[in-house]
Amino acid sequence: DAGVIQSPRHEVTEMGQEVTLRCKPISGHDYLFWYRQTMMRGLELLIYFNNNVPIDDSGMPEDRFSAKMPNASFSTLKIQPSEPRDSAVYFCASSLYFFGGEETQYFGPGTRLLVL
Amino acid sequence: SQELEQSPQSLIVQEGKNLTINCTSSKTLYGLYWYKQKYGEGLIFLMMLQKGGEEKSHEKITAKLDEKKQQSSLHITASQPSHAGIYLCGAGPSGTYKYIFGTGTRLKVLA
Repeated sequence: DAGVIQSPRHEVTEMGQEVTLRCKPISGHDYLFWYRQTMMRGLELLIYFNNNVPIDDSGMPEDRFSAKMPNASFSTLKIQPSEPRDSAVYFCASSLYFFGGEETQYFGPGTRLLVL
Repeated sequence: SQELEQSPQSLIVQEGKNLTINCTSSKTLYGLYWYKQKYGEGLIFLMMLQKGGEEKSHEKITAKLDEKKQQSSLHITASQPSHAGIYLCGAGPSGTYKYIFGTGTRLKVLA
C-alpha cells in the first residue's frame, strides 16, 4: 500500500482565500483523523471519522473549518476564509481500529500551509 | 484537560551517548504510543505500551510504561545521527475517546 496520501504538500495562500486539503487513507482503514501541528500548540486532533461518519469534531477551532469524507477513500479539510493564524502543518492519519494493541494510526506526510 | 508533558523539550547529545525522554500524564492512560517525526514528514510509529510495567525494545530504543500507567520513558542506547528528529508520545486517556499528544522532544545527535 502507498500509505496515507495527502495533497498538496505545500500551500501558500493569502488571507481570506479558501483552502482545501485532501487525504486518501490506507485502503481498509475504518478511521480517519485530521490533525494540526504548530510550534505553540503541538499536535492537535481536529476531527475524526469512523466509516465516513464524523464522530468527534470538538477539536475544530472555528466554523471556518469544515471536513468531509464522501467515501472511504477520500477526505477533505476546508478552511474558508483562511487567516494567518491557520498557518500550520496539517496531517491526515488513518487506522483500522481506534485503539487496539499494536494497531496504530498511520500518518500522511502532511500539508504545510502558509497563510499570508 | 488531559495533557501529556514531555521532557526535555530538546536534547543535543554526542554520537554514542545514551539518552532518555520522558512522557508524563496526570491521568491513567489506556495506551501510550511513541512516534518519531523527521522534518517535513509525518509521524512514524515506534512502539505501543498498554500494560503497567510493560517494556519493549526495538533495535537500540527501549520504552517503558510505569505501573500506574501515567509515565513512560524512551531510552536510546548508543545514539546515532539517524536517531535525530522529534519524538512524540501519544495516548488515549482512560475514560475518554480521544487521542492526545505530547509537545515533543527535539533530539540532535552530533557526529
